[in-house]
Amino acid sequence: QSVLTQPPSVSGAPGQRVTISCTGSSSNIGAGYDVHWYQQLPGTAPKLLIYGNSNRPSGVPDRFSGSKSGTSASLAITGLQAEDEADYYCQSYDSSLSGRYVFGTGTKVTVL
Amino acid sequence: QVQLQESGPGLVKPSGTLSLTCAVSGGSISSSNWWSWIRQPPGKGLEWIGEIYHSGSTNYNPSLKSRVTISVDKSKNQFSLKLSSVTAADTAVYYCARNSIPTMVRGVTSFDPWGQGTLVTVSS
Repeated sequence: QSVLTQPPSVSGAPGQRVTISCTGSSSNIGAGYDVHWYQQLPGTAPKLLIYGNSNRPSGVPDRFSGSKSGTSASLAITGLQAEDEADYYCQSYDSSLSGRYVFGTGTKVTVL
Repeated sequence: QVQLQESGPGLVKPSGTLSLTCAVSGGSISSSNWWSWIRQPPGKGLEWIGEIYHSGSTNYNPSLKSRVTISVDKSKNQFSLKLSSVTAADTAVYYCARNSIPTMVRGVTSFDPWGQGTLVTVSS
């Protein structure tokens, strides 16, 4: 049902770099709407990680970075740490129907 | 800093109405931000339900619009969600959140902060 598609899972060893893609369409990311990213640790509420495509809120390590191009966006985690093991969601806005905020399908990051 | 706390019944009967309240502390619900409800079925992804401004203006997810009502109580610094005709498919953790960017322009905002969430189970 989600209009933003993410890979179900990605994994990497400590210290490695992993990327998570978020693929949309011409009615959301491709229409120019910003993409935001959230980290959800087990049993907790999502936490804003990246806003406005590539901006980090205060307190978010610079190991996390975001980018956007065309109808897709990406989240990169460099220097992967055990504490980064979590679910990650992208979020944007979709102008189809009457308009609504939409989330990606979610990606589980596993630190090997 | 702003904190949000959801409250309400954890169990609702099928065909009944789900009612939740989100109390805002550390800030005013009459600020220039919109306020949203978001839900997450167990083991699944996030779904935006709708948003409200302190004036009472609302926007809803078209997929839920016929069953959703969001209201605001400025005197109590809180906002509420009602979802009618619930089924097992409405079982989820329900979060309230602040739209991060204080703007009347739709489509630009992220959500921050979030409440801790409350699990609502629809079952007889």
